[in-house]
Amino acid sequence: DTAVSQTPKYLVTQMGNDKSIKCEQNLGHDTMYWYKQDSKKFLKIMFSYNNKELIINETVPNRFSPKSPDKAHLNLHINSLELGDSAVYFCASSRDGGSGNQPQHFGDGTRLSIL
Amino acid sequence: GESVGLHLPTLSVQEGDNSIINCAYSNSASDYFIWYKQESGKGPQFIIDIRSNMDKRQGQRVTVLLNKTVKHLSLQIAATQPGDSAVYFCAENMGTDSSYKLIFGSGTRLLVRP
Repeated sequence: DTAVSQTPKYLVTQMGNDKSIKCEQNLGHDTMYWYKQDSKKFLKIMFSYNNKELIINETVPNRFSPKSPDKAHLNLHINSLELGDSAVYFCASSRDGGSGNQPQHFGDGTRLSIL
Repeated sequence: GESVGLHLPTLSVQEGDNSIINCAYSNSASDYFIWYKQESGKGPQFIIDIRSNMDKRQGQRVTVLLNKTVKHLSLQIAATQPGDSAVYFCAENMGTDSSYKLIFGSGTRLLVRP
């Protein structure tokens, strides 16, 4: 009965590869997010979707492409992985319609390591 | 394994004492604030929130204080327990009519001494 679940939990891959991370929430929320947390624990938003529509796209390289097949899913595809992409990626969801005035619920993260 | 965030400010308290974690936020127009707790290997977990029309809000063993004059937020934890050991983040809600986002602070590590 996990609220926000991400797969895989760990991802180790070579530079230059393409990989995807999946996220699903069973909370009935309408807004979903991707965050990146670096080695200093700094947490920064990358994207947010409300009802499958992109509403926030931070200055993220276009190698990163989010896709929301439905309200409960937000996947993240990364092309041509680089060393600097190594981080923990968190998915989150909220029921605020993108207004940001409700708590966001986070998954447990995907630890991406680029060799 | 995961990096331990060596540059994080750390607060060390004795079990049973009260803890106060402070946060300075950046935007005087921010209208909603949240405290999160992150344990090792886990995602941030919601603790308590407060809106800008309030200056204090209490939960179970936690209190959040908001001082809009100096753009300061604090989290007070009563009778700190070993299970409270974690990294704590404050976050402020910033944006425009069409696009809001949470801006997270840099985090404070709380260590509880038995």
